[in-house]
Amino acid sequence: AQSVTQPDIHITVSEGASLELRCNYSYGATPYLFWYVQSPGQGLQLLLKYFSGDTLVQGIKGFEAEFKRSQSSFNLRKPSVHWSDAAEYFCAVGAVGNDMRFGAGTRLTVKP
Amino acid sequence: DAGVIQSPRHEVTEMGQEVTLRCKPISGHDYLFWYRQTMMRGLELLIYFNNNVPIDDSGMPEDRFSAKMPNASFSTLKIQPSEPRDSAVYFCASSFGGRIAEAFFGQGTRLTVV
Repeated sequence: AQSVTQPDIHITVSEGASLELRCNYSYGATPYLFWYVQSPGQGLQLLLKYFSGDTLVQGIKGFEAEFKRSQSSFNLRKPSVHWSDAAEYFCAVGAVGNDMRFGAGTRLTVKP
Repeated sequence: DAGVIQSPRHEVTEMGQEVTLRCKPISGHDYLFWYRQTMMRGLELLIYFNNNVPIDDSGMPEDRFSAKMPNASFSTLKIQPSEPRDSAVYFCASSFGGRIAEAFFGQGTRLTVV
């Protein structure tokens, strides 16, 4: 069965600290991978995507993610978190012939 | 382009009333999606259209829900009659080129059924 798992419901980091949000997937086909961010009261905005090629992808707002096929993971990272990064983050996975599925989301809190 | 535009932003209605949510996708996009977001179930795909044609409505929870896309620039999601358990944030999104292409989301409609 196709699934997307974000193991962490809520993460708190201090401003300036590094961040890693986890995403694991189970898909039968080659996956297309996305990370979206949702600020309070807003819709989802695409941070980055992976379709093929270099497994380390750069996105907006200083985020990056690495696709690891052997671990079925697509973790999101940022070297230094800013207070404005506080939001909910969604991993999404799709494949040719299938719909895009979203994870349950990880809420990020940034401490001053 | 102004992005995906949804209206209203907030809707409060009484149980049993009809509710209509509206969406204007980004011009040129050929896919339109309706999602529902709740704390319990997260983000669920309700239905999507390709070139104004409904392709998959398997996510529509009940017959009380219906969606239309009369032209490339407008879609509606209707709930009739509404129930308290329909309370959620409803998002419209559009994309170009495929159902797993980058989706652009509207700001959502927060529906409260009392």
